[in-house]
Amino acid sequence: EDKVVQSPLSLVVHEGDTVTLNCSYEVTNFRSLLWYKQEKKAPTFLFMLTSSGIEKKSGRLSSILDKKELSSILNITATQTGDSAIYLCAVGENNAGNMLTFGGGTRLMVKP
Amino acid sequence: DAGVIQSPRHEVTEMGQEVTLRCKPISGHDYLFWYRQTMMRGLELLIYFNNNVPIDDSGMPEDRFSAKMPNASFSTLKIQPSEPRDSAVYFCASSFSPGAGVAFGSGTRLTVV
Repeated sequence: EDKVVQSPLSLVVHEGDTVTLNCSYEVTNFRSLLWYKQEKKAPTFLFMLTSSGIEKKSGRLSSILDKKELSSILNITATQTGDSAIYLCAVGENNAGNMLTFGGGTRLMVKP
Repeated sequence: DAGVIQSPRHEVTEMGQEVTLRCKPISGHDYLFWYRQTMMRGLELLIYFNNNVPIDDSGMPEDRFSAKMPNASFSTLKIQPSEPRDSAVYFCASSFSPGAGVAFGSGTRLTVV
C-alpha cells in the first residue's frame, strides 16, 4: 500500500508563479516528514518537520505540517527556472530506526 | 567533510556479470542506507544498517542482491548476476541519529545491457 503520496505528479508553471506541492502520508508511528529537492544528481535536504502548524521557511520556500490531516505542503513563491526539479517527500517512523519512506515525487518545471 | 562518497559514478555491464557498488558514509553517521531510483518506482529503500549491522533488508529485491558493511566507513552493494532490469541509479545515504536529515551520495548510475 502507498504510505506516502505526493501530488501533483508533475507541474508546469511560468517564472514568478507560486506553486504548492502536497504530500499525504499514512504511517502508524509518525516521527518526522522531510522534503528534498532533486535536480540531476542526488536529493538535497530542504526541510524536516515534526510539529504540526509550525511553518519552516528558507528564502522563497516554505513548508508546514498538518498532523491532523496527515499531510504537508511545500510552497514556492516567485518561482525561478532554477526551481525546476523533482521534489520528494519522505516520512520517518519511530519504530523504523531512521528509515524513510519516500513518495513518488512531484516533477516541477518552471518555464521562463 | 566530503559528504557521502559513492563509486563508481557510472557502471555499464553485461547481463550476468557481477556488479559491486561502493559507499563511504559521513564520518560519525551511525545509519547507512542503500536506495534504488527508477522512473517507474521512484526512490526505494533496499537495506539499511545501524552501527554496521543490517537492520532491515526487506527492500532487497532478490537473492541476487547483497549488501555488507564491514566497518563504519565502508559499505558495498553487490548484484550477482546482474540483469537489465537492475538498471537504475543506486544511492547510498547516511545519517547520525533518528529524526535527522539523511545525506545522500551522488549515486551510481548502473546500466546492464
